[in-house]
Amino acid sequence: GAGVSQTPSNKVTEKGKYVELRCDPISGHTALYWYRQSLGQGPEFLIYFQGTGAADDSGLPNDRFFAVRPEGSVSTLKIQRTERGDSAVYLCASSLIIGGRDEQFFGPGTRLTVL
Amino acid sequence: GESVGLHLPTLSVQEGDNSIINCAYSNSASDYFIWYKQESGKGPQFIIDIRSNMDKRQGQRVTVLLNKTVKHLSLQIAATQPGDSAVYFCAENPSGTYKYIFGTGTRLKVLA
Repeated sequence: GAGVSQTPSNKVTEKGKYVELRCDPISGHTALYWYRQSLGQGPEFLIYFQGTGAADDSGLPNDRFFAVRPEGSVSTLKIQRTERGDSAVYLCASSLIIGGRDEQFFGPGTRLTVL
Repeated sequence: GESVGLHLPTLSVQEGDNSIINCAYSNSASDYFIWYKQESGKGPQFIIDIRSNMDKRQGQRVTVLLNKTVKHLSLQIAATQPGDSAVYFCAENPSGTYKYIFGTGTRLKVLA
C-alpha cells in the first residue's frame, strides 16, 4: 500500500512569502505529526493531530506557523512571512496508535529553501 | 528526508560484528522511547520501541536497553549488515504529552 506522501518535494521561496506544505498520511491513520529537520540534527517536533484536532501544537516556533487537518486525513502546514531560518526539511508522519505503540511512518519530506 | 549528519558521531563496524549505539535522553518524565533509522534522502524509519516499565526489548536482530537511573538508551544490532548503514536517532516521549524529542543521531558505517 501507499506510504505517507508529501508535496512538493522541494520548495524554493523568497523571504517574506507564504508557503503551504501538504501531507497525505496512510489511509486510516488517525495520528499525524509534523516535524522539521535541519542539516545534521534530529527531527524537531512541531505539531500533533488526533483526527481533525491539533492535540499538541507546543512545537510550533511562533505564530507564523499554522497547520490544519480539516477532514482528519490530509494536512497542510502553512508558513507566513517566511524567514531564512525557516529553511529545513519538513517531515510528516502518520500513525495508528494501538496498545500504546506509536509506530510513526514518515514521508520523504519537503525541502524548504528560503532565499 | 534530510541528507543527514555531516558532523554526527560515527560508529564504524565490520560487517558481521555487533553494533551498539548509545543515547542519553533528557527528560526524566519520559516514559516511551523509539529508535529510528534514517537513510540519506529519506524520512526516519521506526525500528523498535520500549516503555519505561521495561528495561529490555528484543526485535529481529535488534535489542533496545533502557536504564532509567542514568537516563540512557542503547540500540544493539546483531550481525551488522551493509544495509544497516544509516543515521540512527533515539526519540523520547515525555509522559502526558504527544511530542517527541529526538537525539542528535549517530552515523553507523558498516565496513565490508
